[in-house]
Amino acid sequence: DGGITQSPKYLFRKEGQNVTLSCEQNLNHDAMYWYRQDPGQGLRLIYYSQIVNDFQKGDIAEGYSVSREKKESFPLTVTSAQKNPTAFYLCASSINRPGLAGTGELFFGEGSRLTVL
Amino acid sequence: AQSVTQLGSHVSVSEGALVLLRCNYSSSVPPYLFWYVQYPNQGLQLLLKYTTGATLVKGINGFEAEFKKSETSFHLTKPSAHMSDAAEYFCAVKVVRGNNRLAFGKGNQVVVIP
Repeated sequence: DGGITQSPKYLFRKEGQNVTLSCEQNLNHDAMYWYRQDPGQGLRLIYYSQIVNDFQKGDIAEGYSVSREKKESFPLTVTSAQKNPTAFYLCASSINRPGLAGTGELFFGEGSRLTVL
Repeated sequence: AQSVTQLGSHVSVSEGALVLLRCNYSSSVPPYLFWYVQYPNQGLQLLLKYTTGATLVKGINGFEAEFKKSETSFHLTKPSAHMSDAAEYFCAVKVVRGNNRLAFGKGNQVVVIP
């Protein structure tokens, strides 16, 4: 079955450590996204990528970094510069054909919960 | 920029009663609108979407929503709540011309009372 796989499901980190969250999709989607979810705040966009080797900052990119070397993969690194990294992180993907509006429907992974000790 | 407002972070409904979740949006161009559902510690699943055409949209699990341009609203309803409807619900809007970024509301946590 096609879908989005995020790993690990749960992750604990000590302060000052960088951690990388994995996101892999086999939907052949061009665009991929990382969102952060905190209780009562909805979803906030961290980074997104519309094509391989290109990505843009979202609304809360500070303290995070990404790469998009392959169409299927969009890993997120939470760096030690992120002041409050404890959160639920969601990866998503969508069809994105240049020149076409598309419906914008996002397909989500199961999420990764990061806790800083 | 487009935005979404969902009022009432927690909504309690009795089993068998009407479920009504309100969503109002702001957009300078005709919007595409979405409702997603999230169960605990899981990702988001699409319930339904409005792009063009019929303004009353039916989704999965018996939910439906009506796009009302004059009221800039896209409220979600279900005639009879079931215990399995307990979850968090998010409304989202996409601007038609542009990339596929969605703006999400803050969500409604639905509690179903037996």
